[in-house]
Amino acid sequence: GEDVEQSLFLSVREGDSSVINCTYTDSSSTYLYWYKQEPGAGLQLLTYIFSNMDMKQDQRLTVLLNKKDKHLSLRIADTQTGDSAIYFCARANRDDKIIFGKGTRLHILP
Amino acid sequence: DAGITQSPRHKVTETGTPVTLRCHQTENHRYMYWYRQDPGHGLRLIHYSYGVKDTDKGEVSDGYSVSRSKTEDFLLTLESATSSQTSVYFCAISLAGGKNTGELFFGEGSRLTVL
Repeated sequence: GEDVEQSLFLSVREGDSSVINCTYTDSSSTYLYWYKQEPGAGLQLLTYIFSNMDMKQDQRLTVLLNKKDKHLSLRIADTQTGDSAIYFCARANRDDKIIFGKGTRLHILP
Repeated sequence: DAGITQSPRHKVTETGTPVTLRCHQTENHRYMYWYRQDPGHGLRLIHYSYGVKDTDKGEVSDGYSVSRSKTEDFLLTLESATSSQTSVYFCAISLAGGKNTGELFFGEGSRLTVL
């Protein structure tokens, strides 16, 4: 199976919360990341969480990590049109390889 | 701004020709990465480097080679390009180094089309 899995699409109404989910298989992951990619641009780091943490909050972003289930989520509060993008989950191994999921395209409905 | 430049930004070439993509950074970061991005596949790691002359393979290294003869430049070479290597190639540098290598800063991408 895929190393890092994400659903491919998510539609959310403007003002609602968006929750993007990710699962991974390698329990040796040290850090887990969320990246954002806007059209025609490279990826931009949004936030990351160390594997011994359960939660991290940064303004409108909340990251939850369930290490037992190998599940990571990104919650975006008060979703705005500028949040429309592709969101990538990624993990780091002890050998410094950074592996990305396929990305979740977030579509904002008016 | 981490100062990373990819060149060329766009290239069209024919099957069987060699192609070299260059990634240049200005801040002496140790770790550098090459990824390719394709619809339905997301971002896949080709090769990465953890220092001058120190490189390792990623998930999709077949058909690609890399070189890092100095800290600032990481070159990706397709010895004989194939149509399956048509893609957008991204270079990235790790801002945090060995402590948190996944804190990556990406270049703007190089779009390669192999006819």
